[in-house]
Amino acid sequence: AQKITQTQPGMFVQEKEAVTLDCTYDTSDPSYGLFWYKQPSSGEMIFLIYQGSYDQQNATEGRYSLNFQKARKSANLVISASQLGDSAMYFCAMREGAGSARQLTFGSGTQLTVLP
Amino acid sequence: DAGVIQSPRHEVTEMGQEVTLRCKPISGHDYLFWYRQTMMRGLELLIYFNNNVPIDDSGMPEDRFSAKMPNASFSTLKIQPSEPRDSAVYFCASSSQDREKLFFGSGTQLSVL
Repeated sequence: AQKITQTQPGMFVQEKEAVTLDCTYDTSDPSYGLFWYKQPSSGEMIFLIYQGSYDQQNATEGRYSLNFQKARKSANLVISASQLGDSAMYFCAMREGAGSARQLTFGSGTQLTVLP
Repeated sequence: DAGVIQSPRHEVTEMGQEVTLRCKPISGHDYLFWYRQTMMRGLELLIYFNNNVPIDDSGMPEDRFSAKMPNASFSTLKIQPSEPRDSAVYFCASSSQDREKLFFGSGTQLSVL
């Protein structure tokens, strides 16, 4: 079974509008972390936001927020006031377990295109 | 702060040749990861190190792949002999013990002809 599922291969949004990128995950471990990374056409991987499984509040970082619904095992990324520079591939990732393990499992990604 | 530094940015080689990819992690980070990205398989973890020691190499595709970390500031990923199906973007990433975030390098685009 896929540990991280991103069901939207591509998304379009009008500039200045908000957009939600979906991510569901599968784990039986009570301790885990969820991440979103952005990969623009230049290829680098840019960290956006992190949510821990025990965090009481949804994570926010500027225009990025994470809609964390633990019971549904979803961790959707919300980008408010989209900008042309937000056009990129977005990856959801999960780290399972506590302790020293740091490896991430990535979803297949969502290609976001912001329209002028 | 300097980020994770990878070299080369692009590598084009012929099938059968040896390829060596290099990575310098962020100073002070004690975890180092090698990922491979392809259209078909997405981002896959190949191997990761903790304090220069390989912890999990279960993602290394075959014996043609090997990785070393001789010291805290340098790691290599070697493919010998290379094959066309090894063509991909190879990322190195590092993180510290007390932080969740992985910092990625710019990647090496490998093309094996």
